[in-house]
Amino acid sequence: DGGITQSPKYLFRKEGQNVTLSCEQNLNHDAMYWYRQDPGQGLRLIYYSQIVNDFQKGDIAEGYSVSREKKESFPLTVTSAQKNPTAFYLCASSILEGTDTQYFGPGTRLTVL
Amino acid sequence: SQQGEEDPQALSIQEGENATMNCSYKTSINNLQWYRQNSGRGLVHLILIRSNEREKHSGRLRVTLDTSKKSSSLLITASRAADTASYFCAWLNTGFQKLVFGTGTRLLVSP
Repeated sequence: DGGITQSPKYLFRKEGQNVTLSCEQNLNHDAMYWYRQDPGQGLRLIYYSQIVNDFQKGDIAEGYSVSREKKESFPLTVTSAQKNPTAFYLCASSILEGTDTQYFGPGTRLTVL
Repeated sequence: SQQGEEDPQALSIQEGENATMNCSYKTSINNLQWYRQNSGRGLVHLILIRSNEREKHSGRLRVTLDTSKKSSSLLITASRAADTASYFCAWLNTGFQKLVFGTGTRLLVSP
């Protein structure tokens, strides 16, 4: 059963803490993405990766970090430097970077208490 | 901002009616895609139309693209309650090579 998974579904964080959101895919896709979604807005790109051990900043990378040590995994860390981290986070993957349709995970809702 | 706009922001119709959503973007594009998002879930790809295409069909979906006006529309015919969701357009800039998403249209289909 191929797909893209994210965990956890809900995450609560105290101010000043770093948290890591998991994203795993078994679609053998080269490209992976992290988006942030706020109410009433579309998706904004945080980071993306075209290949293992390489990634680039998107439009709103400040306060976030990523790693791509394995093709199937692209975890996102929300650091304490992110001033307003409460949002819905979506991970996606595609065969080719940018040019193809993207397949999305179910999302993680992060709430800062 | 590279984001365009979708219109209307929200749409409420009865089952059996058609729903039309519009998307405007700002730059030259390679392709434009439409995605659907059920509440609190991830996005699901619906249809892709390339910049050299003007119209495309998939089941009850019809997408048009007018590159001269930098706009696209999504028509859902004979809507069903299960079509209730948010719909997003996303376009691939020719230079930027990353998908840019619109702000979305919330569709409510009442039985």
